Amino acid sequence: TQLLEQSPQFLSIQEGENLTVYCNSSSVFSSLQWYRQEPGEGPVLLVTVVTGGEVKKLKRLTFQFGDARKDSSLHITAAQPGDTGLYLCAGAHRDYKLSFGAGTTVTVRA
Amino acid sequence: GAVVSQHPSWVICKSGTSVKIECRSLDFQATTMFWYRQFPKQSLMLMATSNEGSKATYEQGVEKDKFLINHASLTLSTLTVTSAHPEDSSFYICSAPTRISNYGYTFGSGTRLTVV
Repeated sequence: TQLLEQSPQFLSIQEGENLTVYCNSSSVFSSLQWYRQEPGEGPVLLVTVVTGGEVKKLKRLTFQFGDARKDSSLHITAAQPGDTGLYLCAGAHRDYKLSFGAGTTVTVRA
Repeated sequence: GAVVSQHPSWVICKSGTSVKIECRSLDFQATTMFWYRQFPKQSLMLMATSNEGSKATYEQGVEKDKFLINHASLTLSTLTVTSAHPEDSSFYICSAPTRISNYGYTFGSGTRLTVV
């Protein structure tokens, strides 16, 4: 059973469209992190959110952390083919262990 | 930034043999290293946590005698898959927490293990 429910599992959109990935849990985490993983490589950290209600922007990516620190979302504006990849959310526990969501495979068609 | 170097990036071995995977922290000290395995199109599953100078702790269902972890120094952690079988074929990734990357974690580039 995944502690973090990530949706949707797959997302295929046209270049220029927007997309949102959701990450929900019944648990509270000390922080929530978003990663992007390319095939055959390790995940690369995109952002860490710590405070409930926090919003962080990274160019065309906007990350939100829910007020109760149980859920988060990733929004990409005007997606580009270079945004294609597996997006993973991960919740950090007090013992520094990470629990990962199942991942969202994003494909941006040119 | 914080870098974890993982080797080898891929390895093919025969059933019954052992394979060692190394993860080195290049510009920081990793007192803790997490080891994951990932099956195709699936997420990362935590296998074990290694702490420098002490025994590793394993997640439920992970055989500690099969997946030997050593963390003898602050910059090196190793995972040895002993008596490998085809079902051990997977993508293995190490990760270390680092405050350098804003409380994120730095991941190695992964090792694709294929047991034939």
